[in-house]
Amino acid sequence: GDSVTQMEGPVTLSEEAFLTINCTYTATGYPSLFWYVQYPGEGLQLLLKATKADDKGSNKGFEATYRKETTSFHLEKGSVQVSDSAVYFCALSRNRDDKIIFGKGTRLHILP
Amino acid sequence: NAGVTQTPKFQVLKTGQSMTLQCAQDMNHNSMYWYRQDPGMGLRLIYYSASEGTTDKGEVPNGYNVSRLNKREFSLRLESAAPSQTSVYFCASSARLGAGANVLTFGAGSRLTVL
Repeated sequence: GDSVTQMEGPVTLSEEAFLTINCTYTATGYPSLFWYVQYPGEGLQLLLKATKADDKGSNKGFEATYRKETTSFHLEKGSVQVSDSAVYFCALSRNRDDKIIFGKGTRLHILP
Repeated sequence: NAGVTQTPKFQVLKTGQSMTLQCAQDMNHNSMYWYRQDPGMGLRLIYYSASEGTTDKGEVPNGYNVSRLNKREFSLRLESAAPSQTSVYFCASSARLGAGANVLTFGAGSRLTVL
């Protein structure tokens, strides 16, 4: 079945470091791909999305490119801040039935 | 503010008790969802409703029932709570933005403890 696999955390970085969180997916057809972020004590919120191959989603300095050939959607940021500490979820949306499948989440800690 | 509202935010139950989690959205979204979040397990879909009048099982439906009361409201019921249902529950709704981009808007969550 369809699934999303993302790197296990926690990931701990120093402020201003470069961030990569890996995400790969398995799906039939051509899903849309998303990154959601969950700040402490809150619900998830959309960070960025891409709807077709080679699309790049970007928001708040984060980027991810939809790579169909490697079935990947890795999240990157050039210089992280303490305020980026959160849990990040990769997800896909199946076109045929609106079902959305999430990865298990990656907890990110940024040290000042 | 527009969004998804869940109640209650916290609830403690004894094994065997029943309760209903309420969810309402005011964004005119067609689809609504219930997820549970457990440590190390990420988000797992319990039930979803693609449109008013329809509901479908997700990954972990056992022990739960849902009602799509109208377009705005989607409730989750635990008929006989078990300790394994201790979790944080999230309601979400979605609007299709075209090209399959089904974006979710989440509520703030309901933390349920079953003793």
